[in-house]
Amino acid sequence: QKEVEQNSGPLSVPEGAIASLNCTYSDRVSQSFFWYRQYSGKSPELIMSIYSNGDKEDGRFTAQLNKASQYVSLLIRDSQPSDSATYLCAVNKDYGQNFVFGPGTRLSVLP
Amino acid sequence: SAVISQKPSRDICQRGTSLTIQCQVDSQVTMMFWYRQQPGQSLTLIATANQGSEATYESGFVIDKFPISRPNLTFSTLTVSNMSPEDSSIYLCSGCSRSGGKAFFGQGTRLTVV
Repeated sequence: QKEVEQNSGPLSVPEGAIASLNCTYSDRVSQSFFWYRQYSGKSPELIMSIYSNGDKEDGRFTAQLNKASQYVSLLIRDSQPSDSATYLCAVNKDYGQNFVFGPGTRLSVLP
Repeated sequence: SAVISQKPSRDICQRGTSLTIQCQVDSQVTMMFWYRQQPGQSLTLIATANQGSEATYESGFVIDKFPISRPNLTFSTLTVSNMSPEDSSIYLCSGCSRSGGKAFFGQGTRLTVV
């Protein structure tokens, strides 16, 4: 079992819809969780971090964490074509070391 | 967020030669990493750059092929040695911040070996 798993996609949603991206992780001792956005030809950009169970909202983005289920998700409300990118889930076991990335989910927002 | 500068942004190299990539980070960064990302793939960790000592390499990566230096807290280099076309990839420098363990990335180096 891979440490961090995501559906590779592509996930296609119409403009204005909610995009839901999912991630599971295998190591229960993981402490912190991140979502990165990567446009084609660019480096990953941090968009959300979450450390405790529940929801965390930042603008159109909501990260959800459920440590019991070892599950992290990212919701993008009012999706825009500019949100089309690959979204990488990352898990950090101990605030600095053992930073593990998932394979990424490619999102396509259709105008 | 931490500021990470990486250069060169791209290069085309002859097989058998070596390329050194430089990475400069700001003082928020405690740990530095080097990743490789092949087209359409996710990030693969090459090694953790340790200040003043040998880097810690991941399985499948060796020091002779990817020598790494980190002479001080804010600077590191990755050399891709004796290159072959299979080394064509994007190489990314990353730094992890003190606050919350967040990782930030340099602009990446797109390497093409011909």
